[in-house]
Amino acid sequence: EDQVTQSPEALRLQEGESSSLNCSYTVSGLRGLFWYRQDPGKGPEFLFTLYSAGEEKEKERLKATLTKKESFLHITAPKPEDSATYLCAVRISNDYKLSFGAGTTVTVRA
Amino acid sequence: DVKVTQSSRYLVKRTGEKVFLECVQDMDHENMFWYRQDPGLGLRLIYFSYDVKMKEKGDIPEGYSVSREKKERFSLILESASTNQTSMYLCASSTPRAKGNEQFFGPGTRLTVL
Repeated sequence: EDQVTQSPEALRLQEGESSSLNCSYTVSGLRGLFWYRQDPGKGPEFLFTLYSAGEEKEKERLKATLTKKESFLHITAPKPEDSATYLCAVRISNDYKLSFGAGTTVTVRA
Repeated sequence: DVKVTQSSRYLVKRTGEKVFLECVQDMDHENMFWYRQDPGLGLRLIYFSYDVKMKEKGDIPEGYSVSREKKERFSLILESASTNQTSMYLCASSTPRAKGNEQFFGPGTRLTVL
């Protein structure tokens, strides 16, 4: 069965303390890996799509990377406004559907 | 800019009531989706539609139905609401014309069934 696992479940950081979130997947025929940010009580906001191993995408303090088995979301010098839950999802073959991980909740203290 | 709207941010209904959740997108997207999100369970797909009048069951369709009469609108119907349907409901849309077929989400509807 296809699976997406995110770790850790929660991450508490001091402002400026860089860290990484992990998304590991066991799927065949990966057609895209997606990162979303979700603020409490709101819908997920699209961040990145990665398609193949070795690919990297950046946006402000966030950088996503992809290998054949996992993806990392690196947060460089985080600020309190980076506090959110970060969701990872995968799409396989030509399926319209996404399989989501449970998310990592990041809290950045000033 | 991508825009998905949902008819209500918060909704309180009684057990047994028929509930309609509406979702509208203005991006001319072919695909639309309904998810529910619960603590510890993540996002779970209820139904999706890849064209007008077309629908496909997701992972947890029991107790729900959907309607897609127009391309921009996708409705989720709870025929007889139950307390275990208390949840955050999220609508999303996407297009296969985009390389990644990324899904864009609405703000969510927090439904409480009493």
